[in-house]
Amino acid sequence: ETGVTQSPTHLIKTRGQQVTLRCSSQSGHNTVSWYQQALGQGPQFIFQYYREEENGRGNFPPRFSGLQFPNYSSELNVNALELDDSALYLCASSSPGTGGAGIYEQYFGPGTRLTVT
Amino acid sequence: SQKIEQNSEALNIQEGKTATLTCNYTNYSPAYLQWYRQDPGRGPVFLLLIRENEKEKRKERLKVTFDTTLKQSLFHITASQPADSATYLCALDIGGGSYIPTFGRGTSLIVHP
Repeated sequence: ETGVTQSPTHLIKTRGQQVTLRCSSQSGHNTVSWYQQALGQGPQFIFQYYREEENGRGNFPPRFSGLQFPNYSSELNVNALELDDSALYLCASSSPGTGGAGIYEQYFGPGTRLTVT
Repeated sequence: SQKIEQNSEALNIQEGKTATLTCNYTNYSPAYLQWYRQDPGRGPVFLLLIRENEKEKRKERLKVTFDTTLKQSLFHITASQPADSATYLCALDIGGGSYIPTFGRGTSLIVHP
């Protein structure tokens, strides 16, 4: 186990609703990244937070937003849910520099399975 | 366009044999490449990281090679066991000063007893 926890484990929402997913990072890690993984695909990068600031964003619309708190835990918010948002949402914590300058290993949580109907 | 390619077909091998998985990329100049293992319904687990100036890295039964000329990484599991059955993902940074990993879709490995 990595020490990264996510809640809830599973969630079912209706199209148009809003959802908040939560992540607690591994102790000592100040960076959290969020990924979306559709069935049979690799994780797609949504965004990353470093010390409470957004530090990079993938090709996702603004209705995907996030927060990082002073204790480095994080939230992913998705507004106006669409059917295609159904996926496994993964949170990964890291501490940049553990693999060398700028390079880091990521430790993933178990994910939240979101189903939009 | 930038692509990370992993074989979408499952790799079936017999227990005890060496499994070799391939990760090819185009239009990237990564500073590093990582390999992760993912079991069904679970998050990926970090296995190995290899930097652009390294040719080979080993960890127990795992070996990774990185050829920046061929734009390819090979991931080997020696003396494979049924417990090694999982999906293996490669990830590399998109370059340009960003070290955020971008993932391939993964290759499923099935080790038969």
